[in-house]
Amino acid sequence: GDSVTQMEGPVTLSEEAFLTINCTYTATGYPSLFWYVQYPGEGLQLLLKATKADDKGSNKGFEATYRKETTSFHLEKGSVQVSDSAVYFCALGGRDDKIIFGKGTRLHILP
Amino acid sequence: EPEVTQTPSHQVTQMGQEVILRCVPISNHLYFYWYRQILGQKVEFLVSFYNNEISEKSEIFDDQFSVERPDGSNFTLKIRSTKLEDSAMYFCASSRGSRGNQPQHFGDGTRLSIL
Repeated sequence: GDSVTQMEGPVTLSEEAFLTINCTYTATGYPSLFWYVQYPGEGLQLLLKATKADDKGSNKGFEATYRKETTSFHLEKGSVQVSDSAVYFCALGGRDDKIIFGKGTRLHILP
Repeated sequence: EPEVTQTPSHQVTQMGQEVILRCVPISNHLYFYWYRQILGQKVEFLVSFYNNEISEKSEIFDDQFSVERPDGSNFTLKIRSTKLEDSAMYFCASSRGSRGNQPQHFGDGTRLSIL
């Protein structure tokens, strides 16, 4: 079945460092891909999305490119801030109604 | 920006008791979902609901679970006889379309603690 694999956390970086959180997927057909973020004590917020191959989703300085050839959707940010500390979930939406989430990657940014 | 709202934020219930978790989806959305997240684990799909009926459900969503849209605005998840392993964060979500290409908007969740 469809699945999402993302890098284990926690990831700890200093402020202004470059961030990459790896995500790969397995799916039949052409899924949509998402990154959701969960700030401490809050729910899941959609961060960005891409609906077809080579699309780049971007929001709040974060980017991810839908790579069909490598079945990947890695999340990147050029310069992280303390306020980016959160749990990040890679997810896919396939031909049915549900979204399938990865296990989440906890990100700590140190001032 | 419109948002999905869930109540209560935290529910503590004795094992074996019934619990109802409530959600108000975004008003022009047509598809509604429940997910759960056991502490430290991934977010798991429970059920999707469209046109007043369940469109898909997971293995987790057994006979102890039910969903309802009792009026034009609320969407509820009922657990008939709670077990310890039902302790989790429950998220409601809604979307304008289905098939995975419409982003689902999530509420802040209800933390359910079964004693």
